[in-house]
Amino acid sequence: KNEVEQSPQNLTAQEGEFITINCSYSVGISALHWLQQHPGGGIVSLFMLSSGKKKHGRLIATINIQEKHSSLHITASHPRDSAVYICAVPQTHLVTDKLIFGTGTRLQVFP
Amino acid sequence: DGGITQSPKYLFRKEGQNVTLSCEQNLNHDAMYWYRQDPGQGLRLIYYSQIVNDFQKGDIAEGYSVSREKKESFPLTVTSAQKNPTAFYLCASALNRNEQFFGPGTRLTVL
Repeated sequence: KNEVEQSPQNLTAQEGEFITINCSYSVGISALHWLQQHPGGGIVSLFMLSSGKKKHGRLIATINIQEKHSSLHITASHPRDSAVYICAVPQTHLVTDKLIFGTGTRLQVFP
Repeated sequence: DGGITQSPKYLFRKEGQNVTLSCEQNLNHDAMYWYRQDPGQGLRLIYYSQIVNDFQKGDIAEGYSVSREKKESFPLTVTSAQKNPTAFYLCASALNRNEQFFGPGTRLTVL
C-alpha cells in the first residue's frame, strides 16, 4: 500500500517569494494529484500528472517517477495562495481511482 | 453550472442519533466517494461507488452506510455505531479514473 509524505508541514512566506512543497510516495503510481484546500474546507484539484511538468498560471507541478517524488512550486506568491496543499496518489501501482492523501502543507503568505 | 453540492455545511447532532449527509452532483460522473478529514490527518476513504446500485467499503467504513440509487446522489449515513463521528466530511466524484472533483464539505459535530 502506498504511503505519502509531504514536506514541510507548515510554510510561511512573504508576498512575492518562490514556494516549493514536496511530496514523496513509496509505491510506483500511474498519476499523482495536487489539491488545494481553502480555509472554508472546500478542495480544488490543481494538477493531475504522470510525468514531467505541468504549469497553470503561477503554479508549476513536477514529478520524477524514478525517484517517486513530486514538487509543487508557486512563483510570485500572493496572500490569496494561503491554503493547505495536499498531494494524493493511487493506493497501489495498479491503475485505480482509490487515492490516499498526504497530511497537507499549510501555507501562509503575508503581504 | 456543473458541480457537487453537499448539505448542510454545518451539522450538529446528539450522541446516539443517526444522521445523513447529502451529496449531489450534476457532472454526469459515474464514480462518487466519501472521505473523512480529521485535524492533522490526510483524507481517509469511507465508501466509494463506481456505478449506480453498487458501492464498496473504503478504509474506514465501520459505523457508516451509503446508498447509490441514482447516479447524481450518494448520501452518507453516520450511524450511532461510529465511535467518533465529529469530523469534516467531503464528497467527491470522478469520470472514469480521472481527477476527482470535491464538494464544499459538511462539518459534523456530535454533542
